Amino acid sequence: NAGVMQNPRHLVRRRGQEARLRCSPMKGHSHVYWYRQLPEEGLKFMVYLQKENIIDESGMPKERFSAEFPKEGPSILRIQQVVRGDSAAYFCASSLYSMETQYFGPGTRLLVL
Amino acid sequence: AQTVTQSQPEMSVQEAETVTLSCTYDTSENNYYLFWYKQPPSRQMILVIRQEAYKQQNATENRFSVNFQKAAKSFSLKISDSQLGDTAMYFCAFMSGNQFYFGTGTSLTVIP
Repeated sequence: NAGVMQNPRHLVRRRGQEARLRCSPMKGHSHVYWYRQLPEEGLKFMVYLQKENIIDESGMPKERFSAEFPKEGPSILRIQQVVRGDSAAYFCASSLYSMETQYFGPGTRLLVL
Repeated sequence: AQTVTQSQPEMSVQEAETVTLSCTYDTSENNYYLFWYKQPPSRQMILVIRQEAYKQQNATENRFSVNFQKAAKSFSLKISDSQLGDTAMYFCAFMSGNQFYFGTGTSLTVIP
């Protein structure tokens, strides 16, 4: 059973460009979570999605950030008009049920020049 | 608000020795879960151990065990027979509802 997959592993963008981060959950998992890790810090919750629905986006900035988890395909975290402060590692996790152990992907390191 | 505190930014241990990493948390919830995750230099987040708050028995996974003190809101991780591969950042995490709350981590170095 493959684990949580994230791509790309590394992404470089210039200020003002768009960043798209993809996450494929573990097989059979329909709950997906996105976290951001700034250097020297722990992970901070951003958004929780279930297939086709955003359940909790309380940790996601209101502007420039959006997330989706379509019926088919991976979950996408989209950052529009990136700024240097968006440089971070973005982790996706999935779980079989809500309030269950979350399994993390390898992360996407975003660098904004 | 839920908070997780790891008061030891860095620790080191001799290979084959035992080390304990501290974690305290604050919550008004009664039903929650606690976790320790390991983040090696590869930056992958790896689940080490999990504890359900309603269970009094401390969780154990091979060389890893926890000391869960619910009244004190303390959740420490003990690593026995430390190995070089244990060198990593260790994050304590609290889950309530669908959100995880992470501590700031403890960087553990195992010295040969």
